Amino acid sequence: GESVGLHLPTLSVQEGDNSIINCAYSNSASDYFIWYKQESGKGPQFIIDIRSNMDKRQGQRVTVLLNKTVKHLSLQIAATQPGDSAVYFCAENLDYKLSFGAGTTVTVRA
Amino acid sequence: DAGVTQSPTHLIKTRGQQVTLRCSPISGHKSVSWYQQVLGQGPQFIFQYYEKEERGRGNFPDRFSARQFPNYSSELNVNALLLGDSALYLCASSWTGKNTEAFFGQGTRLTVV
Repeated sequence: GESVGLHLPTLSVQEGDNSIINCAYSNSASDYFIWYKQESGKGPQFIIDIRSNMDKRQGQRVTVLLNKTVKHLSLQIAATQPGDSAVYFCAENLDYKLSFGAGTTVTVRA
Repeated sequence: DAGVTQSPTHLIKTRGQQVTLRCSPISGHKSVSWYQQVLGQGPQFIFQYYEKEERGRGNFPDRFSARQFPNYSSELNVNALLLGDSALYLCASSWTGKNTEAFFGQGTRLTVV
């Protein structure tokens, strides 16, 4: 079965607000995590990654937080824009393969 | 720089036929992985090749096979197609065998009728 799961299948956000997407993982040996954004009909787009020896990593408008104690990962998107509407996946690296959850669909309201 | 490129983008096949999907990784990347994504789900791992060697295989039948060429491009072959093989097939490339900064192509949409 899948070792990575997202807490909520859908998230509706007002434009300009911050979004938080959560993810739980089950393998404490996982050492690397990636967040992807997937728009309809396209392949997953790399957003940001984090290694297990880090707690936080920031990119452009995005921040990933890693809590190894409770095996939880989150993606924060600042000032959410209409173009952020998509399905978001967290992926856990297990040796040679990425394991994905089912994804969270983010809808941005104007 | 070109990203990961896959061909064809769309394909329609009949049950029982065979299909070959192609992937060119980002220049400098030596690892290529294949994933299957059915509608409404996350991608499922099929194969990883690194430095032309198979490093791992997911829970897929022997009808699925792959290879990596000296230029690091890759092919995924599926024999005896079933209706359930209809999916988006994704290729990801990385410069390491541990999926460091793994980037995906746009995928090949396979429909089996």
